[in-house]
Amino acid sequence: QVQLQQSGQGLVRPSQTLSLICAISGDTVSNDGTAWNWIRQSPSRGLEWLGRTYFRSKWFTEYAVSVKGRISINPDTSKNQMSLHLESVTLDDTAVYYCARAIGTYNSFDSWGQGTLVTVSS
Amino acid sequence: EVVLTQSPATLSLSPGERANLSCRASQSVYDYLAWYQQKPGQAPRLLIYDASNRAPGIPARFSGGGSGTDFTLTISGLEPEDFGVYFCQQRSGWPPTWTFGQGTKVEV
Repeated sequence: QVQLQQSGQGLVRPSQTLSLICAISGDTVSNDGTAWNWIRQSPSRGLEWLGRTYFRSKWFTEYAVSVKGRISINPDTSKNQMSLHLESVTLDDTAVYYCARAIGTYNSFDSWGQGTLVTVSS
Repeated sequence: EVVLTQSPATLSLSPGERANLSCRASQSVYDYLAWYQQKPGQAPRLLIYDASNRAPGIPARFSGGGSGTDFTLTISGLEPEDFGVYFCQQRSGWPPTWTFGQGTKVEV
C-alpha cells in the first residue's frame, strides 16, 4: 500500500519560494511504471495540475503552462521522495498542495498525499 | 486547454436513491476521464479511471460511462457515506496536461 507523506512550510511571504516535500513509502520514486505529480486546490482555481516527474531510463519533468518558469520538481532517490519549489509566489498561489501518484495509463491519480495548506501572506 | 463542465452543481438525494452526475468536455478526450470523491479536509479519492473502470476497493454501486465529450458517474443506491464533492478529470495533449471539472456536491 503506497503512502505519500507531505511536509513543508505553511506560510510563505510574497515573492519568496514555496518548498514542499513528498515522502514515498510502499513504492519507489524511480519506479518506471509510475509518475509523481503535484496538484493544488483553491476556491478560485479549483483543482490544478502543476507538474510531474518520472523515470524512463532517465528522469523527465513536465510542467503546467500556468506555472512554467517558476516551478521545479525534483526526485531524490536516496530519500525516496520528491520536492516542489515554486518561486516568486503571490497571493494567488495560496492553496492546498497535494502530491499524487499516477500508474498504468497515467491518465489519473490513484494515491494522494494528505495535502498541505500553503498561505501566501506578508 | 480542455475545459470540463460538471452538472448539476448540487444534488440532494435520499439514501437508496440513484445519483447521475454529468461531465462534459469542450473537445474529445476519448476515454481518458476519471472521477474522484472528496470529503471535507481530505484528498480526492479515485473512483473511476479511463471512463468506466472502478479503482481497487471501490464499491460496485459506483459506475462510469461515456466517451468522447460526454461522461456520467452513476451511484446506484446512495449510502450515507457517499456525501461529498465529486470531480471529473481528463488527460489530453502532448506533452500531456490534466484538468479537472469544478465539482458536483452530493448531499445525502
